[in-house]
Amino acid sequence: EAGVVQSPRYKIIEKKQPVAFWCNPISGHNTLYWYRQNLGQGPELLIRYENEEAVDDSQLPKDRFSAERLKGVDSTLKIQPAELGDSAVYLCASSLAGTGGYNEQFFGPGTRLTVL
Amino acid sequence: GNSVTQMEGPVTLSEEAFLTINCTYTATGYPSLFWYVQYPGEGLQLLLKATKADDKGSNKGFEATYRKETTSFHLEKGSVQVSDSAVYFCALKQRDSSYKLIFGSGTRLLVRP
Repeated sequence: EAGVVQSPRYKIIEKKQPVAFWCNPISGHNTLYWYRQNLGQGPELLIRYENEEAVDDSQLPKDRFSAERLKGVDSTLKIQPAELGDSAVYLCASSLAGTGGYNEQFFGPGTRLTVL
Repeated sequence: GNSVTQMEGPVTLSEEAFLTINCTYTATGYPSLFWYVQYPGEGLQLLLKATKADDKGSNKGFEATYRKETTSFHLEKGSVQVSDSAVYFCALKQRDSSYKLIFGSGTRLLVRP
């Protein structure tokens, strides 16, 4: 079974440029997460989708970050314009729908963003 | 607020040595606790978990026991292998959430032949 797929794996841009990351979750997983992992830190949740609905975007910096999950499958996370402090690894994860207990989150390999 | 504190790395061991990676947490109520592992170039993978006090999670020779009295969830392995070299993350989930994980900063383990 294919895991969570992310692209690109690496991205280098200059500040003020836009950038987008793409995620394809595990087939059948209707819950999708975007995390940001700063250097030397653990991942921090940015946004969670149930199907195509963003049900928790409280940690997403909405002035420059946006995300979409059209058709409830693939998702795109965008930053416009990027700032130096956005340099990090952006992780996508997916899981089955919540039923009260914990549904294991499966993580992709991440996109490493460097903003110069 | 909720938080997880891990020992700083890197931890460097020789093959077959005993491993302990310390993890302590701060949380209200009774969270679930997890260890995730990230091998080079790969995504985080769930290694083991424990959902209540005194539970022991185990997988691939790794173990961790949920200690409520010391708010700890230390990861141990009796004999490490070179293939265990990775970054290990301790995490908690509040009981009233089905999904929100709070991660520690990770501990890099390097096992030498």
